[in-house]
Amino acid sequence: DAKTTQPTSMDCAEGRAANLPCNHSTISGNEYVYWYRQIHSQGPQYIIHGLKNNETNEMASLIITEDRKSSTLILPHATLRDTAVYYCIVRSNNAGNMLTFGGGTRLMVKP
Amino acid sequence: DAGITQSPRHKVTETGTPVTLRCHQTENHRYMYWYRQDPGHGLRLIHYSYGVKDTDKGEVSDGYSVSRSKTEDFLLTLESATSSQTSVYFCAISKQNTEAFFGQGTRLTVV
Repeated sequence: DAKTTQPTSMDCAEGRAANLPCNHSTISGNEYVYWYRQIHSQGPQYIIHGLKNNETNEMASLIITEDRKSSTLILPHATLRDTAVYYCIVRSNNAGNMLTFGGGTRLMVKP
Repeated sequence: DAGITQSPRHKVTETGTPVTLRCHQTENHRYMYWYRQDPGHGLRLIHYSYGVKDTDKGEVSDGYSVSRSKTEDFLLTLESATSSQTSVYFCAISKQNTEAFFGQGTRLTVV
């Protein structure tokens, strides 16, 4: 599976958009980009995923560049409850379908 | 939490004793995973299963065994617990090529 690179930490003001970048320059054609977050010591929570088109759901938007080498997760109106570690994961479709976690980005939403 | 239950949620055990953690799902998902999470290491895959009686090793499988005798249950066994296996253990489930859902975790302390 391709590796990802994310900033270690980021701050965001409450009510503003949080834009979390991720580089995955070695991604291959059948690999999806997944985003998860982990709040405190809870289990990771699925946010969104995509292959090459931009995606939006009730939680966030995912913007994938045309060459698929990077992506951005956007939380449109961050709240204090969005403070968490955000993981960008590239996942292949081979047997196992496992998720390989990196270090993630620690997002701190401040009042 | 997507029909996934881990038990026990907390356990303290002595070095050298066997320990079994249980992951139970009500979603009939094909894939099940066991991860461990330690400070400074993020989540690491221990073992996974892609069907009844079909399992494979992950990144950190030494000292662990698993069994899946029916779709809904995936057991993780530490044959002889060591202090290095003190960790938080997460189970996850998924269908083919879809998002994975995580349990709330089991905090294991080996003294």
